Amino acid sequence: GAVVSQHPSRVICKSGTSVKIECRSLDFQATTMFWYRQFPKKSLMLMATSNEGSKATYEQGVEKDKFLINHASLTLSTLTVTSAHPEDSSFYICSASKLAGGAPYNEQFFGPGTRLTVL
Amino acid sequence: AQSVTQLGSHVSVSEGALVLLRCNYSSSVPPYLFWYVQYPNQGLQLLLKYTTGATLVKGINGFEAEFKKSETSFHLTKPSAHMSDAAEYFCAVRKNTGFQKLVFGTGTRLLVSP
Repeated sequence: GAVVSQHPSRVICKSGTSVKIECRSLDFQATTMFWYRQFPKKSLMLMATSNEGSKATYEQGVEKDKFLINHASLTLSTLTVTSAHPEDSSFYICSASKLAGGAPYNEQFFGPGTRLTVL
Repeated sequence: AQSVTQLGSHVSVSEGALVLLRCNYSSSVPPYLFWYVQYPNQGLQLLLKYTTGATLVKGINGFEAEFKKSETSFHLTKPSAHMSDAAEYFCAVRKNTGFQKLVFGTGTRLLVSP
């Protein structure tokens, strides 16, 4: 149980276009989903946290208008990179947890990641 | 604020040798601590976690880690490395109250030679 999928696994797009990445919890309801960005040979950087039905909470330095996050259902969150540029090329990873954000502990289950390349 | 330091971006061992990956944390409150493994082009898989209770925690694939508050450390060990252990390992910390944001270290790549 607790499987998280991402689609697509890889995407290549032209500069200036928008790309949507989906994150799905396949066998549980995810009240909270997280989006991370991972640069080559670097750690994961949290971009934003989303609770189902609420606006996402973005980390400092992350452009809200560039990285649009929607968490419309308990099993799906989407990240849209708008007007993508080469510097947006990265590995994007989502995670999902079963309980609401205020719980003392609950595990984040990670998706397999999406490799975005902007030409 | 919480932070994590992983000493050594690369660690090389021979198959069958002891694996030791170092992690030190900084936290103003008692932390929850985690080790994750990442295989190439994949997401993260939880190896083990420390929340409360016993300070020596055992995880999957024969890994274990010991929480040492006095040393602010949570080093990951495995008695005998296997070729399949070659991967990137991340240590992470979060507060044990309130919001569940994880803070990751920069990762250590484990290389296992025959």
